[in-house]
Amino acid sequence: GAGVSQSPRYKVAKRGQDVALRCDPISGHVSLFWYQQALGQGPEFLTYFQNEAQLDKSGLPSDRFFAERPEGSVSTLKIQRTQQEDSAVYLCASSLALTGGGRSPLHFGNGTRLTVT
Amino acid sequence: AQRVTQPEKLLSVFKGAPVELKCNYSYSGSPELFWYVQYSRQRLQLLLRHISRESIKGFTADLNKGETSFHLKKPFAQEEDSAMYYCALGSGGYQKVTFGTGTKLQVIP
Repeated sequence: GAGVSQSPRYKVAKRGQDVALRCDPISGHVSLFWYQQALGQGPEFLTYFQNEAQLDKSGLPSDRFFAERPEGSVSTLKIQRTQQEDSAVYLCASSLALTGGGRSPLHFGNGTRLTVT
Repeated sequence: AQRVTQPEKLLSVFKGAPVELKCNYSYSGSPELFWYVQYSRQRLQLLLRHISRESIKGFTADLNKGETSFHLKKPFAQEEDSAMYYCALGSGGYQKVTFGTGTKLQVIP
């Protein structure tokens, strides 16, 4: 079946603009994560959803960042008043719920590369 | 707080040589460790995890709690192993995963 799908693949925004990044997880995956990956760095955790509930948003760098998953499937990461430091690849990952055998692996999308000029 | 350290940004080895990608972690609880790999123009994907104790594509990794390490090893490197490798730590009551900064493995023909 299809993997995690993210759109757009590339986004160029002028400083101060708002952007919305979309993630379509694998069907049936309960957990959904957003990560931010700056150039030369590893993915940095932003936020986590279990179904429609946002259980952890401790990684969101400022109140300009907002994520939602209203029906427990598609998720949107919104960045308001973008700044140059927001330039990064934004990765979405989904997984099955935590099982007795340990954590289910994360399935990543291709990411959205955001460039703020 | 949890942290993952990968000291090498780039590791170059010749084809057929042994490979060891280093990973150390810091976490006060019971850790769950993973290695993720990203091949050129592909998405990040799971390579292996410590609880499975498996060998994937010839790679193995052993969790050493005393040294807080989870090094990735392969006895004979292949050209197709060239990729970015990320060590990752699972922690907390749900599935939060913390990634290291990654090591680029370059296998020289």
